[in-house]
Amino acid sequence: AAGVIQSPRHLIKEKRETATLKCYPIPRHDTVYWYQQGPGQDPQFLISFYEKMQSDKGSIPDRFSAQQFSDYHSELNMSSLELGDSALYFCASSVGPPGNSPLHFGNGTRLTVT
Amino acid sequence: GESVGLHLPTLSVQEGDNSIINCAYSNSASDYFIWYKQESGKGPQFIIDIRSNMDKRQGQRVTVLLNKTVKHLSLQIAATQPGDSAVYFCAENRSSGGSNYKLTFGKGTLLTVNP
Repeated sequence: AAGVIQSPRHLIKEKRETATLKCYPIPRHDTVYWYQQGPGQDPQFLISFYEKMQSDKGSIPDRFSAQQFSDYHSELNMSSLELGDSALYFCASSVGPPGNSPLHFGNGTRLTVT
Repeated sequence: GESVGLHLPTLSVQEGDNSIINCAYSNSASDYFIWYKQESGKGPQFIIDIRSNMDKRQGQRVTVLLNKTVKHLSLQIAATQPGDSAVYFCAENRSSGGSNYKLTFGKGTLLTVNP
């Protein structure tokens, strides 16, 4: 079965650089979520989109932005990167409005900021 | 603040034994709960979910129990296998206002299965 696809799998950036993470949800899933997971930590919710509109916002820094496109894929844009942004970034998708069905996660993008 | 958390950070069991992973939540308004399994280098993998109008749900080798009175959730894994070794998270689907919901994860429990 098709899963959530994230790219790139690994990304190394320097401080103050920018990064773009991409997420392709499971076909027919219309809701996308972004989570950040530090080492040994639980995933922290960043932001979600339903039908291409932002549906909720969590602990996403102002330096980050995201959007969901007409084909339902999503991109997380990160600017002025800091060392503390080094983490695993997961995208998840689900069917329908948030809260209705389980989230299915991709295998993440590991971002390292040096 | 309100949170979802796990009682035990680590659990070590023998292959073939049953495992029980516990989770406490504090938001009585939450109505949907999910258990995830996360292996090293991978994203959380959906195991089983339960809505607040149920107190038990069974899957293949897994059972989730929900006790709303004491705000407690547990995941039971029957005949635990080495492939079950992973970090397990409970997650609570909590309203963040109006019709918005977000999935909030508790602290993970590392399950180690000894052959």
